[in-house]
Amino acid sequence: EAAVTQSPRSKVAVTGGKVTLSCHQTNNHDYMYWYRQDTGHGLRLIHYSYVADSTEKGDIPDGYKASRPSQENFSLILELASLSQTAVYFCASSDWGRRDTQYFGPGTRLLVL
Amino acid sequence: SQWGEENLQALSIQEGEDVTMNCSYKTYTTVVHWYRQDSGRGPALIILIRSNEREKRSGRLRATLDTSSQSSSLSITAAQCEDTAVYFCATDSGGSNAKLTFGKGTKLSVKS
Repeated sequence: EAAVTQSPRSKVAVTGGKVTLSCHQTNNHDYMYWYRQDTGHGLRLIHYSYVADSTEKGDIPDGYKASRPSQENFSLILELASLSQTAVYFCASSDWGRRDTQYFGPGTRLLVL
Repeated sequence: SQWGEENLQALSIQEGEDVTMNCSYKTYTTVVHWYRQDSGRGPALIILIRSNEREKRSGRLRATLDTSSQSSSLSITAAQCEDTAVYFCATDSGGSNAKLTFGKGTKLSVKS
């Protein structure tokens, strides 16, 4: 089964600070995604990538940057964390040939104070 | 918004009952995905249905898709306590990037 891991699993950050969330997949998948989930809501796409060294904007990219240094790793960067970025962040991956099936990591719970 | 139904819904049923969850969407899609999210975990795909299918079954799950009304449903037959989870539908933007747009979900509680 697909394996997507995220670190850290939870984090408390201060407003204005820099936060980096990491995602690692061992499935040899081409596509990787970052979503955020707010309490009582569905997931919203922040950034995604279909190849190393390239990222694309999703539906809510403002305030976030992404980095894909290798096929296995995908990071989400909050340069200046804000209170409104408190949420649970999920990473996902999918294979080029089976793009309609995304495999999600366990999530990172971020609290910005 | 992609979705017609915006609120997270909550359903509570007894073990052994059947349950149906609905979602409607506003824009064209070729596939509707249904994901399940257990508490504290990431979503996991449980069934998907394509625009050329009206019904899809997988074990106790049954998904339907009506492209004319832009709506989909997920039914669980003889629900078990372990079916307790949040269920999301998601539409596929198509194209090469397979971007998913998620609805807000239905929180299902199955009680013994």
